[in-house]
Amino acid sequence: DAKTTQPPSMDCAEGRAANLPCNHSTISGNEYVYWYRQIHSQGPQYIIHGLKNNETNEMASLIITEDRKSSTLILPHATLRDTAVYYCIVRVRTGTASKLTFGTGTRLQVTL
Amino acid sequence: GAVVSQHPSRVICKSGTSVKIECRSLDFQATTMFWYRQFPKQSLMLMATSNEGSKATYEQGVEKDKFLINHASLTLSTLTVTSAHPEDSSFYICSAGGVLETQYFGPGTRLLVL
Repeated sequence: DAKTTQPPSMDCAEGRAANLPCNHSTISGNEYVYWYRQIHSQGPQYIIHGLKNNETNEMASLIITEDRKSSTLILPHATLRDTAVYYCIVRVRTGTASKLTFGTGTRLQVTL
Repeated sequence: GAVVSQHPSRVICKSGTSVKIECRSLDFQATTMFWYRQFPKQSLMLMATSNEGSKATYEQGVEKDKFLINHASLTLSTLTVTSAHPEDSSFYICSAGGVLETQYFGPGTRLLVL
């Protein structure tokens, strides 16, 4: 699976949009971009995934550049409960669950 | 989203004893379950992958005789840490996946070996 690069930490004011970038310049054509987050002392939580089109769900939006070498996870109105480590992972979809390789992620701190 | 539970949420044991951790998928059938370990201030590291009804596949450096994994049904996998030592103290997290392909994670089990 392709390697990803994320900034180690970011701050965001409550109520503002949090934009978390991820570089995956070696992504191949059949690899999807997945985002998970881990709130302190809890298991990771699935957020969203996409291949090349932008995706939106009740939690977040995922914007993938046209060349697919980078993406941005957008939390439109961050709250204190969104403080967590956010992981960007790229992997091939095989039709069954396969292992995820976690990097160091971005520690997002939402402040008042 | 799909729900995965773990039991116990935390456990303290004496050095040399064995500890069993259960992972259950509550509302879907998990053909594959994964076990991760996370040390303080570090990322998750995959320990092993288990498919229902077959032997687990362990990652390099993980002792299969020390970390026994059983995936006897489509909703239950267990991890047994045998002869636990203080260096095994960690946060153990399972995840489950099935036809959904997306993995869903349990809340984790914090193990402290004295």
